[in-house]
Amino acid sequence: DTEVTQTPKHLVMGMTNKKSLKCEQHMGHRAMYWYKQKAKKPPELMFVYSYEKLSINESVPSRFSPECPNSSLLNLHLHALQPEDSALYLCASSQTQGQLFFGEGSRLTVL
Amino acid sequence: RKEVEQDPGPFNVPEGATVAFNCTYSNSASQSFFWYRQDCRKEPKLLMSVYSSGNEDGRFTAQLNRASQYISLLIRDSKLSDSATYLCVEKGNYGQNFVFGPGTRLSVLP
Repeated sequence: DTEVTQTPKHLVMGMTNKKSLKCEQHMGHRAMYWYKQKAKKPPELMFVYSYEKLSINESVPSRFSPECPNSSLLNLHLHALQPEDSALYLCASSQTQGQLFFGEGSRLTVL
Repeated sequence: RKEVEQDPGPFNVPEGATVAFNCTYSNSASQSFFWYRQDCRKEPKLLMSVYSSGNEDGRFTAQLNRASQYISLLIRDSKLSDSATYLCVEKGNYGQNFVFGPGTRLSVLP
């Protein structure tokens, strides 16, 4: 019953593939986030979009490319990933003040 | 780099026990604090926001001590369903940067 929707829930890709993760929210939140989470670790911030502009990039490798087509949508384009990029990718949104709302995540396996 | 530290855990407690988690933060300008719980292979979900005056929600009590830069979470009468990882989260005073602590694993045993 999460209000942040992520697709796909599971993704398996080879190192030469190009794929995209998608995230959508209709709560009117103007900040959207991508986090990466490895097993037994906390979520690690990758990118923040605020009012559809990239405001934080935590030195993420260029094989991860975010895109914010509008205030409700956030994509993460994946290209030439490595096996160590296998993780749970979490999208979240928030108002200017207040908590983070997470989607259920996209579990990525890179072969 | 601003950091959030938590008790290492894991905490293994019997049903009905009271358990307390602590969290410290280094950014004295932080504005907001939260406790999230995360079940295995699921997304984090908000448990409680933490207010300066302290706040309670049923069996859960959160407290903030700005002078010591310290946050706590108290769980009374633990249930099996409380078994999860508890994440302390700080929101800084710039941008939209939420900083997560490493999390504390709780197992409530029958």
